Amino acid sequence: QVQLVESGGGVVQPGTSLRLSCAAFGFTFRSFGMHWVRQAPGKGLEWVAVISYDGKNKFYADSVKGRFTISRDNSKNTLYLQMNSLRPEDTAVYYCAKGFYVGDTAMGLDYWGQGALVTVSS
Amino acid sequence: DIQMTQSPSSLSASVGDRVTITCRASQGIRNDLGWYQQKPGKAPKCLIYAASSLQSGVPSRFSGSGSGTEFTLTISSLQPEDFATYYCLQHNSYPWTFGQGTKVEIK
Repeated sequence: QVQLVESGGGVVQPGTSLRLSCAAFGFTFRSFGMHWVRQAPGKGLEWVAVISYDGKNKFYADSVKGRFTISRDNSKNTLYLQMNSLRPEDTAVYYCAKGFYVGDTAMGLDYWGQGALVTVSS
Repeated sequence: DIQMTQSPSSLSASVGDRVTITCRASQGIRNDLGWYQQKPGKAPKCLIYAASSLQSGVPSRFSGSGSGTEFTLTISSLQPEDFATYYCLQHNSYPWTFGQGTKVEIK
């Protein structure tokens, strides 16, 4: 069955960097766009970034543009989120999620990981 | 960017009640909207896609409607397992955006 497993979360100081990984199982990873979504403690969901199936197209939320980079390694079935210049407001649970398609049209997110907590604090 | 305004932010209801949640988009998004349910400490789950299509395995008491700028999620008869927070998500254009969420609580 489809499984997404995030890793790499932790406590870091403001201004530093962290890389999250998301290992994918149970589906043809190289065929699907993949996303990161985050949720600050006690707050709502915030879409963060997407990468196309082949890694050629990437889009970001304004709040992370220029600081975060999404990437993927289809040979390892793994999605990444490189987070630089971290701020306290980046503190959140970060979920990776698989894009859901009908034909070639994106229809949302159908499978999610369990989340990785990132805490940015001095 | 497209803003999604969801209402109400919370509601109290009883088992068996009919519940309606609304999302409004700041510009037309055709039917490029989904509804997600999240329980405490868990990842969200997709209930509805393309505004009105039921995701596989989701009970038929959940339904969605709308197009353009106004969308509705309806739970026809609230069950104990439905107490959760619900979010809309527009996937018409990047950046995708969620509504603020509606927490459905037990009356």
